[in-house]
Amino acid sequence: DQQVKQNSPSLSVQEGRISILNCDYTNSMFDYFLWYKKYPAEGPTFLISISSIKDKNEDGRFTVFLNKSAKHLSLHIVPSQPGDSAVYFCAASDSNSGYALNFGKGTSLLVTP
Amino acid sequence: EAGVVQSPRYKIIEKKQPVAFWCNPISGHNTLYWYLQNLGQGPELLIRYENEEAVDDSQLPKDRFSAERLKGVDSTLKIQPAELGDSAVYLCASSFGRAEQFFGPGTRLTVL
Repeated sequence: DQQVKQNSPSLSVQEGRISILNCDYTNSMFDYFLWYKKYPAEGPTFLISISSIKDKNEDGRFTVFLNKSAKHLSLHIVPSQPGDSAVYFCAASDSNSGYALNFGKGTSLLVTP
Repeated sequence: EAGVVQSPRYKIIEKKQPVAFWCNPISGHNTLYWYLQNLGQGPELLIRYENEEAVDDSQLPKDRFSAERLKGVDSTLKIQPAELGDSAVYLCASSFGRAEQFFGPGTRLTVL
């Protein structure tokens, strides 16, 4: 049973515009959420995270928003750059499971010049 | 600081053969994870170690998969015998007391 869902398999955005990647989850016990970025033939790279006590976390061009009531989070990339083209995975965990990560299937982002 | 190291990067074997993957976590990271990633899917946890203790192996198919983490540092994941459906990328990750896990490059296994 997929507890973390990324319903958009792919997204194409022009360079300089905003990229918005979405993620939904079903387990209300999740209290920590992360975004990972993955290039081909490499392992996932940690990008940004947010605790359930917050609703926003920002790091440079990357901002993650959490809406607990809707069980929804999103990653905003502003401005988007061609080097951002990769697969983005949303992941969630809860402290009771020792922070084992539950991943979505990923969204492939293409930033075009 | 060196990242998580995995070897080999690629492995091709015939079905029913054994195979082993090795992982060296980031220095000082007490928690080590093995994940399985199938094509078009996100990583799925196989086993989690806290130091040398396997604290969550509920998703590890124990009839053919085994893992060990001697001395609480390096870890080895073994499959014996391998089946066609085991073809996937095997990822190792480590962390220290936090949810941010750092992943290695993975081992791509092809079973023929």
